[in-house]
Amino acid sequence: GAGVSQSPSNKVTEKGKDVELRCDPISGHTALYWYRQRLGQGLEFLIYFQGNSAPDKSGLPSDRFSAERTGESVSTLTIQRTQQEDSAVYLCASSLLQGGEKLFFGSGTQLSVL
Amino acid sequence: GESVGLHLPTLSVQEGDNSIINCAYSNSASDYFIWYKQESGKGPQFIIDIRSNMDKRQGQRVTVLLNKTVKHLSLQIAATQPGDSAVYFCAESNQAGTALIFGKGTTLSVSS
Repeated sequence: GAGVSQSPSNKVTEKGKDVELRCDPISGHTALYWYRQRLGQGLEFLIYFQGNSAPDKSGLPSDRFSAERTGESVSTLTIQRTQQEDSAVYLCASSLLQGGEKLFFGSGTQLSVL
Repeated sequence: GESVGLHLPTLSVQEGDNSIINCAYSNSASDYFIWYKQESGKGPQFIIDIRSNMDKRQGQRVTVLLNKTVKHLSLQIAATQPGDSAVYFCAESNQAGTALIFGKGTTLSVSS
């Protein structure tokens, strides 16, 4: 596609439920990133995928958070047993080659945990 | 630790003025820096980037300046327009080269 696509754009869930967020990167981009953005804040790095290398999971805040990516395509971010503090916009980005440079972002998924 | 910060959370300018948005970073070993613009309800949009072997880089109506001596990064926007109103983030590449570290952002408001 022309850009990074994320779905759903909005997700409302109840505390304790699991949610799954999806990201379709730009075709041909080998690197994929997930970030979290709380209201009025900057972006917090969560996880990075580069090709078939082991992902950098250093930003995941707890073991309730996990992500998968199949090859160089779609990625899913899963949050288990959601808590109210998980409410945020979850942004996905991709980049063409080298990690950590010139990321292109999707519009994000607004997650609200009631 | 790695962190990126901004000097001012908000900046208000008149249409047609030049805007300067500042950013301080803490990791002297950082070799890549980037500016993003984020409009309400959208993801960050790339503006311009610069490597540490450069002091200045120009784009269309934007200039990024890097002062490695004082670990300072700035974004200059010429002839600011109402459409430039947004939150601007600076970011630097982390030590592992696997992600960008973002500051909290400066909200630019442009009045006509």
